[in-house]
Amino acid sequence: GNSVTQMEGPVTLSEEAFLTINCTYTATGYPSLFWYVQYPGEGLQLLLKATKADDKGSNKGFEATYRKETTSFHLEKGSVQVSDSAVYFCALSVARGTNAGKSTFGDGTTLTVKP
Amino acid sequence: DSGVTQTPKHLITATGQRVTLRCSPRSGDLSVYWYQQSLDQGLQFLIQYYNGEERAKGNILERFSAQQFPDLHSELNLSSLELGDSALYFCASSSGREVNEQYFGPGTRLTVT
Repeated sequence: GNSVTQMEGPVTLSEEAFLTINCTYTATGYPSLFWYVQYPGEGLQLLLKATKADDKGSNKGFEATYRKETTSFHLEKGSVQVSDSAVYFCALSVARGTNAGKSTFGDGTTLTVKP
Repeated sequence: DSGVTQTPKHLITATGQRVTLRCSPRSGDLSVYWYQQSLDQGLQFLIQYYNGEERAKGNILERFSAQQFPDLHSELNLSSLELGDSALYFCASSSGREVNEQYFGPGTRLTVT
């Protein structure tokens, strides 16, 4: 079946530090890849996505590139802010095959940014 | 605000009972997804409905069932509740049949005592 492996947390950074959260996946077919963010007490929000190899998703200073050769979709931000403190989820979905329609999420990585 | 609404926000009930969680998708979205988020198992996909029909099934227990109505709202029914069913239950919606970006509701926190 499909799976998503995320870098274990929690991650604690100082404001303006560089952020990388690693995400690798296994999937049959050609998945779409997503990063979602969950702020305390809220539901998940889509942060960015990429639907094919070499696509780069970006939003709010965050970026991730779909790397088919390394089956990875690492999340990066050049300078984090206290307001980025949240739980980040990497996810995939496939459009065809026996797993079509099913979303697979990583375990989430908790990021805390200190002033 | 994602446009997805869920009721109730909180639910406390006893073991063995049955509850119904309700979800209204974003206007125009035809797909509804249900997820369970617990501390020990993370975010688990339960089931997807598209335009009233079940499309994909994940780790949904036989004690759980769901449906999507003609007005596209969805209900998740949980029966014979156990302590381990205590979790956050999220509903999400998307526009099409294929999984694309999903919009999540605020969740229903279920506590089974």
